[in-house]
Amino acid sequence: NAGVTQTPKFQVLKTGQSMTLQCAQDMNHEYMSWYRQDPGMGLRLIHYSVGAGITDQGEVPNGYNVSRSTTEDFPLRLLSAAPSQTSVYFCASRRHQGTVGYGYTFGSGTRLTVV
Amino acid sequence: GQNIDQPTEMTATEGAIVQINCTYQTSGFNGLFWYQQHAGEAPTFLSYNVLDGLEEKGRFSSFLSRSKGYSYLLLKELQMKDSASYLCAVRVQPGYSSASKIIFGSGTRLSIRP
Repeated sequence: NAGVTQTPKFQVLKTGQSMTLQCAQDMNHEYMSWYRQDPGMGLRLIHYSVGAGITDQGEVPNGYNVSRSTTEDFPLRLLSAAPSQTSVYFCASRRHQGTVGYGYTFGSGTRLTVV
Repeated sequence: GQNIDQPTEMTATEGAIVQINCTYQTSGFNGLFWYQQHAGEAPTFLSYNVLDGLEEKGRFSSFLSRSKGYSYLLLKELQMKDSASYLCAVRVQPGYSSASKIIFGSGTRLSIRP
């Protein structure tokens, strides 16, 4: 049982480049989210999804796109990377309905540097 | 808007008890989580409160007062491995038909000294 798998673990981008951070879970969780974590700022919600075909914006969605074509996958796309997007990105999943007390399972994170 | 406050840093002694507070001002509050995060690692789930009162899980307990917008995490019999950041997170539901989202505070970095 792999849990939540994020790839890549590390990435360096040049300003203006685009890329996709991958996230996959094998727990049949309906709810998936993307967060970024900067020093001293905790986790900030970028986008989230309550099921295939449904996505919504979080606190800091600008510069990022998501899609949810399957229950398992929730990729995060950076459209045109900027130095302000240098951060650690975490993908997380949890059950949505009926078991609201369950917390997130987090992936191991992607450390992104934009130069 | 949403506002979640926690102390930035705390220090405690091995074997002692420490209480980490979290206050929140949110609309559509629907539960509060606590997570532990060791340096360089992903957060892990500790506890969840949706009703007022105390939830106990071994050495860790979490308390919630919805009327006061207040929660705390209590750690007993502290061990060196408890040195970590502790994140308070609030589940909010903007509207009856809207999906809920989970918003985190900035976290409290707890250092345990021998």
